[in-house]
Amino acid sequence: DAGVIQSPRHEVTEMGQEVTLRCKPISGHDYLFWYRQTMMRGLELLIYFNNNVPIDDSGMPEDRFSAKMPNASFSTLKIQPSEPRDSAVYFCASSVGTGYNEQFFGPGTRLTVL
Amino acid sequence: GENVEQHPSTLSVQEGDSAVIKCTYSDSASNYFPWYKQELGKGPQLIIDIRSNVGEKKDQRIAVTLNKTAKHFSLHITETQPEDSAVYFCAVISSGSARQLTFGSGTQLTVLP
Repeated sequence: DAGVIQSPRHEVTEMGQEVTLRCKPISGHDYLFWYRQTMMRGLELLIYFNNNVPIDDSGMPEDRFSAKMPNASFSTLKIQPSEPRDSAVYFCASSVGTGYNEQFFGPGTRLTVL
Repeated sequence: GENVEQHPSTLSVQEGDSAVIKCTYSDSASNYFPWYKQELGKGPQLIIDIRSNVGEKKDQRIAVTLNKTAKHFSLHITETQPEDSAVYFCAVISSGSARQLTFGSGTQLTVLP
């Protein structure tokens, strides 16, 4: 298996632009998580899905952030409009069954908002 | 919500020495304690985990100990090697958190040759 796939790996955009990050979880995994990593705040859970349904989005910082999972093999995290403080590394992770099982992380998308 | 504190933030050891990283947590209902290793430019990867009904778990050079009374757990790496250099994160799941991992702030481990 190729593992969790994220695209793009790097994104540089200007303030106010829309940014879409993409994730393909490991086949057969029924949980998908979006995390944000910054030096100041560390690793933060933004939202997670179970069987394509959003379960908890309490970590989403603002209404500018939205996430979707239209099917079991694809998820997007969208920021509109983007701001410089959104600059971070965004990780997607997937797992099987309960949270007591390993979460497999993708390589991340490094987002820079100028 | 859950609060996880991790110490130290940086740790340098000589190759062959042992390294210990400690985490404390706030929610006594926490029952799952994984450790993740993050290499430069990569996502975190699980290296070992422990559940609340176990006090210690070992996997080759890596071990984790859990003290539920004191609400802390530790990662022990013996016979360190240069490839152990990375950022290590502890994490916690509380029984009431619906599978959400709360991560510690990370420890940058450097193994000096």
